[in-house]
Amino acid sequence: AQSVTQLDSQVPVFEEAPVELRCNYSSSVSVYLFWYVQYPNQGLQLLLKYLSGSTLVESINGFEAEFNKSQTSFHLRKPSVHISDTAEYFCAVSETGGFKTIFGAGTRLFVKA
Amino acid sequence: EAGVVQSPRYKIIEKKQPVAFWCNPISGHNTLYWYLQNLGQGPELLIRYENEEAVDDSQLPKDRFSAERLKGVDSTLKIQPAELGDSAVYLCASSLGTAGNEQFFGPGTRLTVL
Repeated sequence: AQSVTQLDSQVPVFEEAPVELRCNYSSSVSVYLFWYVQYPNQGLQLLLKYLSGSTLVESINGFEAEFNKSQTSFHLRKPSVHISDTAEYFCAVSETGGFKTIFGAGTRLFVKA
Repeated sequence: EAGVVQSPRYKIIEKKQPVAFWCNPISGHNTLYWYLQNLGQGPELLIRYENEEAVDDSQLPKDRFSAERLKGVDSTLKIQPAELGDSAVYLCASSLGTAGNEQFFGPGTRLTVL
C-alpha cells in the first residue's frame, strides 16, 4: 500500500520569494507521482506529474518537481511566487499502471505582498 | 468543453435524513471517482467506476452509502441515513481510462449534517 506525507500544513511566503513544498511517499512498487492544486472555491487541478523518464518535471506556470527515488520524495518548487499562487497543493501517488490514487493532506501556500 | 459538474454545491440536513449527490463527468471519460474530503485532509477514494461497473468500492461504507452509474455516464452517491460524522466535501472526478492520466475534479458538494 502507498502513503503520502506532506510535511508542512501551511507555508507562508512573501511575493517573489522562492518556495518548496515537501512531499514524501511510501510504496513497495514503482509509482506515478502527481501534484494537484486547489484554488479557493474551485476543484482540484493537475499541476504536474511524473510517470517515467526525466526525473524533473515542470508545469506551465513555473512550478517544477523532482522525483528522487532514493529519498522517496517529490518536492514541489518555484523560484519566485506570485500572489495568485495562493492555494492548497496536494501531492498524490499511484502504483505504476494502477488507478487508485492516494493523496496527501495538503499544504496551504499563502503568498503575502 | 464543460468540466465535471456536481450538484448541489451545498447541502444541510439533519442526522438520520437521506441525501444524494449528483455528478456529470466530462464527456468521453469512462472512469469516474467519488472521493470524500474531510477538513484539513486530502481526498479519500470512496468508489471508482469503469463505465457502469464499480471496480473499486472497498472504501465505501456499504451499510449507509450507495452509488450508481447507470448507462456509464452520470452518477449518484447516496447516504441513508446520514450521521454527524458524514459532514465533509464530496468530490467527483473523471478521467480517460488509462493509468497515470489526469483526473478532472468537480467543485464538490459540501455536506453539513446537524
